[in-house]
Amino acid sequence: AQSVAQPEDQVNVAEGNPLTVKCTYSVSGNPYLFWYVQYPNRGLQFLLKYITGDNLVKGSYGFEAEFNKSQTSFHLKKPSALVSDSALYFCAVRDIERSGGGADGLTFGKGTHLIIQP
Amino acid sequence: DAMVIQNPRYQVTQFGKPVTLSCSQTLNHNVMYWYQQKSSQAPKLLFHYYDKDFNNEADTPDNFQSRRPNTSFCFLDIRSPGLGDAAMYLCATSRDRAGAPNLETQYFGPGTRLLVL
Repeated sequence: AQSVAQPEDQVNVAEGNPLTVKCTYSVSGNPYLFWYVQYPNRGLQFLLKYITGDNLVKGSYGFEAEFNKSQTSFHLKKPSALVSDSALYFCAVRDIERSGGGADGLTFGKGTHLIIQP
Repeated sequence: DAMVIQNPRYQVTQFGKPVTLSCSQTLNHNVMYWYQQKSSQAPKLLFHYYDKDFNNEADTPDNFQSRRPNTSFCFLDIRSPGLGDAAMYLCATSRDRAGAPNLETQYFGPGTRLLVL
């Protein structure tokens, strides 16, 4: 079974400082990894994904994530945080080799609240 | 703009009274998903349609059903809502291609928040 762990319920960062939101995963095959952001009472917005290739993935709003196969991690980063980045962030995984193949749902982590302080 | 639309945004129903949530998309995606997200929890997949083929998750209660009359629309039916079914229901779509499954991004609607009285 595939799973995602986001070890921090909340991350507090001062505006202008770099931020990191942690994510580790477990899959039986190759992982396809995603980050989504959710604002209050809204759906999930896609930020970025890793499928293959360069381990550093750049996404929307200045976010990036680094895939580390040996550590089974896919941490979300941003060099300089903005107050508007405050939201709930979800890491998610799909396993192409899950039995049955074809389209498949995402398995999400429990989410990390990111709070950027002015 | 192409998008995923969910109506209504807020739905109040009574315990045991059937309710239907609606999702439509202008992305012309062939796959549509329904997720349940309870307060302070991660979204959990209920089921999805790959084209016309329905795929139910093993632990989705029988109380939850879905219909997809055409490519653009998908409905979530809750036959007898219980208090534990109060949640945000998220619809998502993706364009999965034959020979390259599981690679396409899922795009989510704004969600419908269901309250059961």
